[in-house]
Amino acid sequence: DAGITQSPRHKVTETGTPVTLRCHQTENHRYMYWYRQDPGHGLRLIHYSYGVKDTDKGEVSDGYSVSRSKTEDFLLTLESATSSQTSVYFCAISDLEYQPQHFGDGTRLSIL
Amino acid sequence: DQQVKQNSPSLSVQEGRISILNCDYTNSMFDYFLWYKKYPAEGPTFLISISSIKDKNEDGRFTVFLNKSAKHLSLHIVPSQPGDSAVYFCAAIPTSGTYKYIFGTGTRLKVLA
Repeated sequence: DAGITQSPRHKVTETGTPVTLRCHQTENHRYMYWYRQDPGHGLRLIHYSYGVKDTDKGEVSDGYSVSRSKTEDFLLTLESATSSQTSVYFCAISDLEYQPQHFGDGTRLSIL
Repeated sequence: DQQVKQNSPSLSVQEGRISILNCDYTNSMFDYFLWYKKYPAEGPTFLISISSIKDKNEDGRFTVFLNKSAKHLSLHIVPSQPGDSAVYFCAAIPTSGTYKYIFGTGTRLKVLA
């Protein structure tokens, strides 16, 4: 299994609070991704990173920010959580072009 | 608009029979296609892929077929086993090469013992 750890695995928080999810990899892969999975939508890309300090937006980036200060860590921040951001969040990594992405086990986030 | 569609939310198949999962796409500018399998409370795991220059790729019990003229992708599992029960996602990579996978909505496969 690819060495990907997501933390926390579960979180319940209130609307308006900031939330940070962490993805840590031990594979030294260049690319890292954040997805959210919702019923009826499959997995949708939020943000991705193609190197340290290099990030770009995905399909559903509004309300989210990311940072990557080290190769192994990719942080996803919800500045002011809303109930519409209740979801399961997955981190993924990949190394080379067209190599399959490998996913972590997800973070279940509930915003009340 | 959904560029990658899995029109069957669920599928039930008897153990030992063939499972066929389908995926349609609307953008002819996809370069590469993948299938992932997902168990509850786990992340998706890569299953099999196919380049747009091929029409078939096989790996053990899993075969992916690509029909570019119909913009249709299918995954065949033969023979199906109870452990194959999971949600299957197809994904496509655009030719722009930005690694931005576009996923379908998933099909839940149940293999009945």
